[in-house]
Amino acid sequence: KAGVTQTPRYLIKTRGQQVTLSCSPISGHRSVSWYQQTPGQGLQFLFEYFSETQRNKGNFPGRFSGRQFSNSRSEMNVSTLELGDSALYLCASGRSGGNTGELFFGEGSRLTVL
Amino acid sequence: TQLLEQSPQFLSIQEGENLTVYCNSSSVFSSLQWYRQEPGEGPVLLVTVVTGGEVKKLKRLTFQFGDARKDSSLHITAAQTGDTGLYLCASQPGGSQGNLIFGKGTKLSVKP
Repeated sequence: KAGVTQTPRYLIKTRGQQVTLSCSPISGHRSVSWYQQTPGQGLQFLFEYFSETQRNKGNFPGRFSGRQFSNSRSEMNVSTLELGDSALYLCASGRSGGNTGELFFGEGSRLTVL
Repeated sequence: TQLLEQSPQFLSIQEGENLTVYCNSSSVFSSLQWYRQEPGEGPVLLVTVVTGGEVKKLKRLTFQFGDARKDSSLHITAAQTGDTGLYLCASQPGGSQGNLIFGKGTKLSVKP
């Protein structure tokens, strides 16, 4: 069974640019969550989608946005990149989107902003 | 907002030693999860504890949930180099499985 797939794995951007990251959840999973991981702040919740609807949103500026498609694949977008956006962006999928159950994480997309 | 404090932040030990890492909060956890993250990979769930006083074992790993559900510990017996990684605790602030608050983790290095 294929795991959570994130693309691209690595990317370098410059300040002011925008970036789109993609996540394909495990087949049959309908919940997708996004996290930002930095050495200073650790893992921080960005947003969660279930059946194409955003269910929860973390405390990030509006430059961070996401969406989920009917096949459960998800994308997140960061506009007007800042140096502080350099991080590992992790996607996680869950089967039901309820309040229990295991989350499965992808290997992440490592973004460097110069 | 619930904050999770993990200690120690870093731990370097020799293979065969025992160790314990901690996760504490000022608020009561509804449940607590422990993850391990290896370099270049995403976190992998090790265990979920739900009941105060609960103890769960996973081979050489023992997880304990405090009676008041405000703290948890992870004990590793006879550590191996394969145990090296970042150990994270996480809780759900409420409502859905995908919305987790993570501690900053304990970075464990087990040397041969």
